[in-house]
Amino acid sequence: QSVLTQPPSASGTPGQRVTISCSGSSSNIGSYYVYWYQQFPGTAPKLLIYRNNQRPSGVPDRFSGSKSGTSASLAISGLRSEDEADYYCAAWDDSLSGVVFGGGTKLTVL
Amino acid sequence: QVQLVESGGGVVQPGGSLRLSCAASGFTLSNYGMHWVRQAPGKGLEWVAFIRYDGSNKYYTDSVKGRFTISRDNSKNTVYMEMNSLRGEDTAVYYCAKDPRITSTTITGWFDPWGQGTLVTVSS
Repeated sequence: QSVLTQPPSASGTPGQRVTISCSGSSSNIGSYYVYWYQQFPGTAPKLLIYRNNQRPSGVPDRFSGSKSGTSASLAISGLRSEDEADYYCAAWDDSLSGVVFGGGTKLTVL
Repeated sequence: QVQLVESGGGVVQPGGSLRLSCAASGFTLSNYGMHWVRQAPGKGLEWVAFIRYDGSNKYYTDSVKGRFTISRDNSKNTVYMEMNSLRGEDTAVYYCAKDPRITSTTITGWFDPWGQGTLVTVSS
């Protein structure tokens, strides 16, 4: 059972907009930045969003992040087949004195 | 370019020990905190440990406290994870990852970049 809660799966058709939620508490998302990672099978995760809504250079602007209270969301617009991957949220948790991850969301492009 | 290369994984019996290494290049290791994150087969990501840029503070997830030790040798551009009393539930791909903030004294969930990972299998 992960400290941050994500839906196990999400799906959409090419061109659609998809959102992935990440729910936490006041000890993590409610007080600290949220980060998002993209992972393809057999490869290392890659940073997608940092500090809630900032995109690293090279990440398409189709990807966006937001945070409100103790929840955060990753939105992917103009969905493409190459977006099919696992997505994870992460944040510091001061009750656990550690970094916590969501359980991951497997995105399928239909 | 910034690169992290893990090594040292393998098959070990329950109760055994292993030392992982993470060789860093393309940046000044002594200026950055470093993490270990693991992923059990078919499972999600789990943060394991962090060491501050100067090695003065170390943090661990509860399940490895007292068994795992993170360390660094900035002169060798390498971060280590000494793993003792290994259990089946420690079986995972272990990734090292860089905290991108220079000389930071706090920890966040910001990992960039990640190494390619090394597989540790604990089995008799």
